[in-house]
Amino acid sequence: NAGVMQNPRHLVRRRGQEARLRCSPMKGHSHVYWYRQLPEEGLKFMVYLQKENIIDESGMPKERFSAEFPKEGPSILRIQQVVRGDSAAYFCASSPRSSDSSGNTIYFGEGSWLTVV
Amino acid sequence: GESVGLHLPTLSVQEGDNSIINCAYSNSASDYFIWYKQESGKGPQFIIDIRSNMDKRQGQRVTVLLNKTVKHLSLQIAATQPGDSAVYFCAENEVGDDKIIFGKGTRLHILP
Repeated sequence: NAGVMQNPRHLVRRRGQEARLRCSPMKGHSHVYWYRQLPEEGLKFMVYLQKENIIDESGMPKERFSAEFPKEGPSILRIQQVVRGDSAAYFCASSPRSSDSSGNTIYFGEGSWLTVV
Repeated sequence: GESVGLHLPTLSVQEGDNSIINCAYSNSASDYFIWYKQESGKGPQFIIDIRSNMDKRQGQRVTVLLNKTVKHLSLQIAATQPGDSAVYFCAENEVGDDKIIFGKGTRLHILP
C-alpha cells in the first residue's frame, strides 16, 4: 500500500525559473493538501484540493503560486518566477474524505526540497 | 487568530526515561488533535490523535492527554529510545474546516 508519493525529492532552480512539484495521493484518497516548511519551523498550510476542484487556497501566496489536481494524474504545485525566499520543503498530504466531521487525519509524503540559487 | 504553539522548543531526555511534550492551542472550536513526528529530511509521520470528547488516549508507548479547560495537549512517550529523536508537532482541526494547523514543533534529544 504505497504512501503519498512526491517528486522530485530535491529541486534546484535559478531565480526567475519555474518549479513544478508533483504529488500522488495514497490509494483511495481523493483529497490533497500542500504545506510549506521553512528550516526550523512548522508546516504552513497552503492549499487543499480534491479532483478538479480547489477547496481552500487561503494559505497560497497571491502571486506566482498555483495548484491543481486534475481528474487524471498527480496534483501539481507550480511556482513561477521563483525567488530565494521560495526555498523550502514542500509537503503534500492526502486524506480519504473531507472534514464534514472532525477527525480529518492526513498522511504526508516525504517532501520536495526546493532550493533557489 | 487561531494558533497552535508549544511551550518548549527543545527537550532533552535520558534514554529509558519518559518524555512529555506539551502543546497549547487557542482555538476554542478545535475538536480534533493530532501528534506528528518528523525525522530529519522526512515528512511528518502520524503518531496518535484524539477527539475533543476524550481526555486521554493511549497507543503503543505513547499517550495523548487533552485538557480542554486550559486548552492544553501533551504527548507522553514511555521508555524513550534513540529512535524517538525527532521534532514533534501538535496539530489541530475543527469541524467544517479542511485544513490542519500545525504548531512550531519541539525537538526531542535522547541522551545516552
